[in-house]
Amino acid sequence: DAGITQSPRHKVTETGTPVTLRCHQTENHRYMYWYRQDPGHGLRLIHYSYGVKDTDKGEVSDGYSVSRSKTEDFLLTLESATSSQTSVYFCAITGEAGKSNEQFFGPGTRLTVL
Amino acid sequence: GQNIDQPTEMTATEGAIVQINCTYQTSGFNGLFWYQQHAGEAPTFLSYNVLDGLEEKGRFSSFLSRSKGYSYLLLKELQMKDSASYLCAVREAGRRALTFGSGTRLQVQP
Repeated sequence: DAGITQSPRHKVTETGTPVTLRCHQTENHRYMYWYRQDPGHGLRLIHYSYGVKDTDKGEVSDGYSVSRSKTEDFLLTLESATSSQTSVYFCAITGEAGKSNEQFFGPGTRLTVL
Repeated sequence: GQNIDQPTEMTATEGAIVQINCTYQTSGFNGLFWYQQHAGEAPTFLSYNVLDGLEEKGRFSSFLSRSKGYSYLLLKELQMKDSASYLCAVREAGRRALTFGSGTRLQVQP
């Protein structure tokens, strides 16, 4: 195991409510990512972080924000959830270039927006 | 940007060999990855290619041709537990994040 946990693992919420998903790692890796996975689309990058307080947008960032105040935690927030954000969300981590190429994934969070 | 194509579904027989192809277009290439994902689970790393050629790891091998923008994953001596989705992903130069294809769902039949 790469020492990545996600919480909650499952969540059902209503349209318009705020939702925060948490990713926690014990590997002290610099890079952390949030992906969503939907049928027919594969994994798509939402946001990523390359250090504490350093984040950037991925290809599907609209409607999402992130924060990283500590190396070990990367939070994904849906300010006002919509039904189109029903998905499975995966967090991933990578070490420094030259030391690790592999991207390790957390167990995923299944989010349903009604 | 990147464009990654792989077949949606494949079926193979237990004990046989199957090859899953992946083609990609990228402005700057810095590695190709294969992941396995069982239904309801997280993707797990299978292989990484950055230079042309074949990388072998047990029953799984991965091939890369950078000039053709082409890779394949070869699974030998198929087992029922190999039924899963196989994800091809590319890393662009200067980036650590990966861009994934939509995945190939492999069904291994007895």
